[in-house]
Amino acid sequence: AAGVIQSPRHLIKEKRETATLKCYPIPRHDTVYWYQQGPGQDPQFLISFYEKMQSDKGSIPDRFSAQQFSDYHSELNMSSLELGDSALYFCASSKRAPTPAEQYFGPGTRLTVT
Amino acid sequence: QKEVEQNSGPLSVPEGAIASLNCTYSDRGSQSFFWYRQYSGKSPELIMFIYSNGDKEDGRFTAQLNKASQYVSLLIRDSQPSDSATYLCAVSYNNNDMRFGAGTRLTVKP
Repeated sequence: AAGVIQSPRHLIKEKRETATLKCYPIPRHDTVYWYQQGPGQDPQFLISFYEKMQSDKGSIPDRFSAQQFSDYHSELNMSSLELGDSALYFCASSKRAPTPAEQYFGPGTRLTVT
Repeated sequence: QKEVEQNSGPLSVPEGAIASLNCTYSDRGSQSFFWYRQYSGKSPELIMFIYSNGDKEDGRFTAQLNKASQYVSLLIRDSQPSDSATYLCAVSYNNNDMRFGAGTRLTVKP
């Protein structure tokens, strides 16, 4: 079965640079979520989109923005990168339903800021 | 205090034993509950979800939910070394947003 696709899988950037992470949800899934996971930590919810509209917002820094496009793929844009932004970034997708909305995770993008 | 609490472990069980993982949550309005397994450096993998009080079984896994006690657990029967991973409890408040616990690290010893 098709899974969530994320690109790139690894990314190295310097401080103050920008980065764009991409996520392609499972076909027919209409909701995309972004999570940040630091070393030894649990995934922290950043933001989600449903039908191309922002659905919910978590602990996403103002330096970050995201959007969902007409083909349902999503991009997370990160500017003025800081060393603390180094983490695994996961995208998850789900099909919105009354209950429950199981989220399936992509393989993640490992971002290293030097 | 985190919204979703788990014992970080490590929890160590012998091969073939039952592993019991526990999770409590703070918001009584929580509607859906999930268990994810995560191997080091990999993405979380959905194992079980439950949204009604009681037990739900899937193969060697059983999820238990008690909304009155705000408690959800995962039992792994006949534990295998390949079950060694971090298990994340996740709670959804509106069938959309999801909050994770810190995870319990399980080691199954041969």
